[in-house]
Amino acid sequence: GAGVSQSPSNKVTEKGKDVELRCDPISGHTALYWYRQSLGQGLEFLIYFQGNSAPDKSGLPSDRFSAERTGGSVSTLTIQRTQQEDSAVYLCASSLAPMDSGNTIYFGEGSWLTVV
Amino acid sequence: SQQGEEDPQALSIQEGENATMNCSYKTSINNLQWYRQNSGRGLVHLILIRSNEREKHSGRLRVTLDTSKKSSSLLITASRAADTASYFCATNTGRRALTFGSGTRLQVQP
Repeated sequence: GAGVSQSPSNKVTEKGKDVELRCDPISGHTALYWYRQSLGQGLEFLIYFQGNSAPDKSGLPSDRFSAERTGGSVSTLTIQRTQQEDSAVYLCASSLAPMDSGNTIYFGEGSWLTVV
Repeated sequence: SQQGEEDPQALSIQEGENATMNCSYKTSINNLQWYRQNSGRGLVHLILIRSNEREKHSGRLRVTLDTSKKSSSLLITASRAADTASYFCATNTGRRALTFGSGTRLQVQP
C-alpha cells in the first residue's frame, strides 16, 4: 500500500481481555517497529523486526505483550489480560532498511486502545 | 528519563511569528530527526540531520545541531495556523530503534 496501515483505529476492551493490533508496513520495507504513546507523552519503543533476524524485544513492558511478523510483512501486536495502564495509542512504523543506515521511518495512524 | 527532551513543553504564538523548539539528549548519536504529530495520531517525518552536520534547511524549517552541547533546535519561520501540532525530536544512537522525546505542543493563533 501507499503507507503504513494499522487496524483497528480504535479499540475499547474490558480489563482482562486479550487484544490484537495489526500493522501492514509499506511494501518493500524490511524494518518494522512498534511504539506506544500514552496521552500527552512521548513515544515508548516496544519491539523491532528486521528481515529474518530475531526481533529486538527489549522494549516490551511485560510478558503480556508479544508480537510477530509473518512472511516479513504484516505484524500483529498481542496484549494478553489487558490492564487499564495499557490504554494508549499503539503506533507502527516501517523503514526501507535498518535505522542505523540513516533511513527515516514512516508511521501509521495508530491504534487507540482503551481498557475499561 | 528519555534520551531526547524537548523544551518548551508547550508554546503558543501568533501567526507570522517564528517558533523555536529545543531538544537535548544524553548519549552520542548518529543522527537526529524531527517529527510532527497532529491530534495524537501518526507522526510525519520533517527533517534529519546527521552528527557531522551543523545546520539544515527545508522550506520554512531550520534545524541546528550542536553535538558538543548534545542539543538541537527546530525553527519554524513565518508560522501558520496549520503548523499547530506536537513536534518531537528523535535520536538514532546506532541502536536499531529511534528514541523519542516527550514533545513540544505548538499552538499557532490565527
